[in-house]
Amino acid sequence: EPEVTQTPSHQVTQMGQEVILRCVPISNHLYFYWYRQILGQKVEFLVSFYNNEISEKSEIFDDQFSVERPDGSNFTLKIRSTKLEDSAMYFCASSEALDPGGTQYFGPGTRLLVL
Amino acid sequence: DAKTTQPPSMDCAEGRAANLPCNHSTISGNEYVYWYRQIHSQGPQYIIHGLKNNETNEMASLIITEDRKSSTLILPHATLRDTAVYYCIVRPLSGAGSYQLTFGKGTKLSVIP
Repeated sequence: EPEVTQTPSHQVTQMGQEVILRCVPISNHLYFYWYRQILGQKVEFLVSFYNNEISEKSEIFDDQFSVERPDGSNFTLKIRSTKLEDSAMYFCASSEALDPGGTQYFGPGTRLLVL
Repeated sequence: DAKTTQPPSMDCAEGRAANLPCNHSTISGNEYVYWYRQIHSQGPQYIIHGLKNNETNEMASLIITEDRKSSTLILPHATLRDTAVYYCIVRPLSGAGSYQLTFGKGTKLSVIP
């Protein structure tokens, strides 16, 4: 069964450093998403991406964040200058169509720790 | 904020049906009800969704009341592997918010041997 994959599974970085989290969505999916979950808290939407454009973003997704689909298979989230509060699980998701049937399938996540 | 209300926790005996309720009294006509679950800190897993009719798939059944103000997710024969946090989410078909899933705190289901 096709699935979303994410790399790395864990990332440790120093505050102020740039990090890039990588995702390979399901191959025939057209919509891509990033969510995050701070330890013990809710899963929070960050951004959605379609046709090489951001279609929706939350207040969390400020200028420190950017997304890109650099080729036909990868979808990345870049955090330009990491802060301690960026420590979280980051989940990528993809969906085949917005609606109906726009079900989002999630990857296993990248655990980011900012020191 | 999430537009749904769920009990924080529930227990279910292994092999029995697990019935997880959700209130979404402010749901509008163009909003779907989605159910996801999250095992430990894994990525949320899609279970089922519906608009107004009851739905069933290989994982679960979704019962939506006629006024659409509440729904129940049914796991017909719960196993230990069904222990997870279950999220009920309403999501608009179009317009603002249609691209995102808004997760609440969910219901922590514990399946007991």
